Amino acid sequence: QVQLQESGPGLVKPSQTLSLTCTVSGGSISSGDYYWSWIRQPPGKGLEWIGYIYYSGSTYYNPSLKSRVTISVDTSKNQFSLKLSSVTAADTAVYYCARVDTAMAYDYWGQGTLVTVSS
Amino acid sequence: EIVLTQSPGTLSLSPGERATLSCRASQSVSSSYLAWYQQKPGQAPRLLIYGASSRATGIPDRFSGSGSGTDFTLTISRLEPEDFAVYYCQQYGSSQFTFGPGTKVDIK
Repeated sequence: QVQLQESGPGLVKPSQTLSLTCTVSGGSISSGDYYWSWIRQPPGKGLEWIGYIYYSGSTYYNPSLKSRVTISVDTSKNQFSLKLSSVTAADTAVYYCARVDTAMAYDYWGQGTLVTVSS
Repeated sequence: EIVLTQSPGTLSLSPGERATLSCRASQSVSSSYLAWYQQKPGQAPRLLIYGASSRATGIPDRFSGSGSGTDFTLTISRLEPEDFAVYYCQQYGSSQFTFGPGTKVDIK
């Protein structure tokens, strides 16, 4: 059974960089069968796709966030990571990592981690 | 960017009733890449339907998906108490994902 777990600071100051890591267990990122993605959900609101990465390092980002987002992968640790720069209060959200299957649907999700942007 | 619109915003029904949720796209979506999710408070979304009409592993057959082009539907044939939740549609196209705003199914 594939499991994903987000980790990182729960509080980030405005203008700083948000950094999160997703650790995958029960399956290898390097298998090449899937993409790996970040999605966020502001409190009480809907889901927003941030971006996704292939094990080779190819990345695809939401155009609305592209200038501030970097997603990277570390196959040796079976992890992928998110960096979001110049954060504001509008970036406060639950951040999820998830696996993208061959139907381009999110079949496995992490539990989510709340990141609050506040001084 | 393809925009997804879901209706109604809220659906108030009783257990045992049939729920019909709509997802409409601003332009044609590949049926292969249309999915539905269920989300309960404090939980991550759960994949219900992929490819517009295929149930994900472990999803009861009271959940069904249909549609093509710009109009897609999620039907719950008979609502169980655990089905009251928020439902999102999602599409993939041109290397991008988008989600609909969600439909909340609550108890009447």
